[in-house]
Amino acid sequence: EIVLTQSPGTLSLSPGERATLSCRATQSVSGNYLAWYQQKPGQAPRLLIYGASIRATGIPDRFSGSGSGTDFTLTISRLEPEDFAVYYCQQYGSSLVMYTFGQGTKLEIK
Amino acid sequence: EVQLLESGGALVQPGVSLRLSCAASGFILRSYAMSWVRQAPGKGLEWVSTSGSGGTTYYADSVRGRFIISRDNSKNTLDLQMSSLRVDDTAIYYCAKVVGHAFEIWGQGTKVTVSS
Repeated sequence: EIVLTQSPGTLSLSPGERATLSCRATQSVSGNYLAWYQQKPGQAPRLLIYGASIRATGIPDRFSGSGSGTDFTLTISRLEPEDFAVYYCQQYGSSLVMYTFGQGTKLEIK
Repeated sequence: EVQLLESGGALVQPGVSLRLSCAASGFILRSYAMSWVRQAPGKGLEWVSTSGSGGTTYYADSVRGRFIISRDNSKNTLDLQMSSLRVDDTAIYYCAKVVGHAFEIWGQGTKVTVSS
């Protein structure tokens, strides 16, 4: 089973700043099937990025994903007030354990 | 508009069974893989089960043998039959449409509490 570790656990930044969130896998993620989600309190998660770097429909271009193999990054170029939330990465594997999530990074206002 | 609406969550005692349902609208369910993902109170996301578009089913180790995922393509619904419920099954259960091995669309969730 591939384990995803996200860092940092909490990131404190101000609106307008750049955010860089990391997701590291214990084994190479097959097919770069790595996705990123945003979750706000009391809401369901929202898909931001899939295939490591493809923005989902309706996602602003300040969100970008990069990486391959075992190291992936979500970058938010200029933080807007609505971007402060918890972010999760998720990978797909072809083993019996199909999908795993990272533990999340909380992006909070400094 | 593509939407998913879960129902069936409840407060139940350990050991009992419960059936969750997810109604899909705005798309043809039989064309897509569909999944259940849960979130325990104050915790992160945990994949539970997936029903492939061809009918193959997959389960997390924590629920295999206790939960059964099924779909009714004629009704455009996805179900999760949960049995032998445990306290650690307490969570919000989300159904999700799978595209490109990612969870593209999520429902609003249904709350399951297992407590004596």
